[in-house]
Amino acid sequence: DAGVIQSPRHEVTEMGQEVTLRCKPISGHNSLFWYRQTMMRGLELLIYFNNNVPIDDSGMPEDRFSAKMPNASFSTLKIQPSEPRDSAVYFCASSLRGRARNEQFFGPGTRLTVL
Amino acid sequence: AQTVTQSQPEMSVQEAETVTLSCTYDTSENNYYLFWYKQPPSRQMILVIRQEAYKQQNATENRFSVNFQKAAKSFSLKISDSQLGDTAMYFCAFFYSGGGADGLTFGKGTHLIIQP
Repeated sequence: DAGVIQSPRHEVTEMGQEVTLRCKPISGHNSLFWYRQTMMRGLELLIYFNNNVPIDDSGMPEDRFSAKMPNASFSTLKIQPSEPRDSAVYFCASSLRGRARNEQFFGPGTRLTVL
Repeated sequence: AQTVTQSQPEMSVQEAETVTLSCTYDTSENNYYLFWYKQPPSRQMILVIRQEAYKQQNATENRFSVNFQKAAKSFSLKISDSQLGDTAMYFCAFFYSGGGADGLTFGKGTHLIIQP
């Protein structure tokens, strides 16, 4: 079975440009999470969706960040305009909420560099 | 809010030795889950082991086991017969599904180096 798929794996852009990160969760999973990993702050939850509905976006750092989940098999995280401090690895994870195991499966991450 | 603390930024042991990574957490909840994730240089997050707070028995997965002390809010990971492939960052994570919050809270991580 395919795991969580993220694209692109690497993104280099210039300050001020729009960046869109993409995620395809594991088929059948109903919860999707976006995390950001930096050296300074470690792994932080940005936002999560349950059944395609955003439930908690309190981790989204600024209005420049937005996330959507138009259907059960696709989500995007957009940064507009991007800034150098947004440079990080962005992970998408999915899980089957309500199951006792409560395990989150992570994608390979997108390494974003904003120059 | 929950917090997770990993007090060992880096550890180094010889191959075949046993190593223990420490993790403490703070929560007022009673039912929750704890996880250890491994992140090798490829940066893929790999689930190593999980523990349900309502279970008294410590979880084990082959060479990996935990020492879960609920009253002390401690959740350490023991790796037996360490192998070169165990070299990675290890993250302790807390999960509580309640109050609308379903995300994982991570510690800062421990960089484990297995020396040949």
